[in-house]
Amino acid sequence: QVQLVESGGGVVRAGRALRLSCAPSGFTLSNYAMHWVRQAPGKGLEWVAVISHAGSGEYYADSVKGRFSISRDSSKNTLNLQMNSLRPEDTAIYYCARDPSVAGLRWYFDIWGRGTLVTVSS
Amino acid sequence: DIQMTQSPSSLTASVGDRVTITCRASQRVSTYLNWYQQKPGKAPQLLIYAAFSLQSGVPSRFSGSGSGTDFSLTISSLQPEDFATYYCQQGRTFGQGTKVEIK
Repeated sequence: QVQLVESGGGVVRAGRALRLSCAPSGFTLSNYAMHWVRQAPGKGLEWVAVISHAGSGEYYADSVKGRFSISRDSSKNTLNLQMNSLRPEDTAIYYCARDPSVAGLRWYFDIWGRGTLVTVSS
Repeated sequence: DIQMTQSPSSLTASVGDRVTITCRASQRVSTYLNWYQQKPGKAPQLLIYAAFSLQSGVPSRFSGSGSGTDFSLTISSLQPEDFATYYCQQGRTFGQGTKVEIK
């Protein structure tokens, strides 16, 4: 069964760091581009970051650029999101999501994890 | 950045109704437009990609149309399990969502 499972969420003070992980089952992470998408409580969806399938390119939303870093650990077959200098407005459920492209980016998300909640307190 | 505007922001409908949600892009995006359904407490689910391609496993009562700047998602006969929030998405940008509620 193809699925994604996020971990690493929790409550953190503003200014601190947190690292999220996303583990796939049923497919190999390195064969696909992968995204993080977040959703603040009661709000809509916001794209956060993408890493291309070969790890050759990373792109970020302006709201997180310079603070967040997306990476993949091929040996562990996991996707990571390092979040530094966290702000209260980063409070959200963070979803990892698969881009179905095996080359380039198709910019849609065919497999989503259940999400992990990050709460940043002031 | 491209802006995506959905309408309406919410609607009420009855089981069996035909429902249409629209999404307008601030500039032409060809057919690079996708639709998702999200139920409370759940992750979004891909319904339609590339404007009109039905994702595998999605019921055929869902359909998408449009190109350029104007797009629509249609549910031909609303079912109880379709009450949810629907989002359009183009590239890095999501629409604000349309909540479909029971009349």
